[in-house]
Amino acid sequence: GAVVSQHPSWVICKSGTSVKIECRSLDFQATTMFWYRQFPKQSLMLMATSNEGSKATYEQGVEKDKFLINHASLTLSTLTVTSAHPEDSSFYICSARLAQGGDTQYFGPGTRLTVL
Amino acid sequence: DQQVKQNSPSLSVQEGRISILNCDYTNSMFDYFLWYKKYPAEGPTFLISISSIKDKNEDGRFTVFLNKSAKHLSLHIVPSQPGDSAVYFCAASDRTNFGNEKLTFGTGTRLTIIP
Repeated sequence: GAVVSQHPSWVICKSGTSVKIECRSLDFQATTMFWYRQFPKQSLMLMATSNEGSKATYEQGVEKDKFLINHASLTLSTLTVTSAHPEDSSFYICSARLAQGGDTQYFGPGTRLTVL
Repeated sequence: DQQVKQNSPSLSVQEGRISILNCDYTNSMFDYFLWYKKYPAEGPTFLISISSIKDKNEDGRFTVFLNKSAKHLSLHIVPSQPGDSAVYFCAASDRTNFGNEKLTFGTGTRLTIIP
């Protein structure tokens, strides 16, 4: 149980284009999903907390207009990187927490974004 | 400000021996701690957790110890197996911070099990 999927697993795009990454909880409902990014050999940095049916909460320094988050249902959250630039190239990982409570976050497999 | 620290970036352990990974934190409001295992280009996998009301939690080969006064926790893996080779992250949260129970991650320790 507690499986989280991400799509796509990797994407290469041109500078200036937008990329959408999907995060799905496959066998449970998640009122809260989290989006992280990880640079090589560094820790996971929380970008935003996504709550179903409400606006996402962004961490300090994360541009909400650049990283659009939509949590439309209890099993799906999307992250759209708008007008992507090479410095946005990173490994993006989502996680989900059980709707009925609990503190454990279950992570997706991640999405490798490369912006040319 | 790194609130969760893993001071050893890497650790090598002989197969069959005990692996001990350490983690320190500075925020006294943290009351829930987790360990995750991560392979390259994959998402972290949850291993084990511990609440601040306990000082030990065991699950199979994995045991987590918490020393609240020292703000220190450790993960023990025994016996270590080659498949345990991965990067291990500790994470902490403040569950009293309702609506913002985010995880703060350490920088990770790369564990290599030597056959």
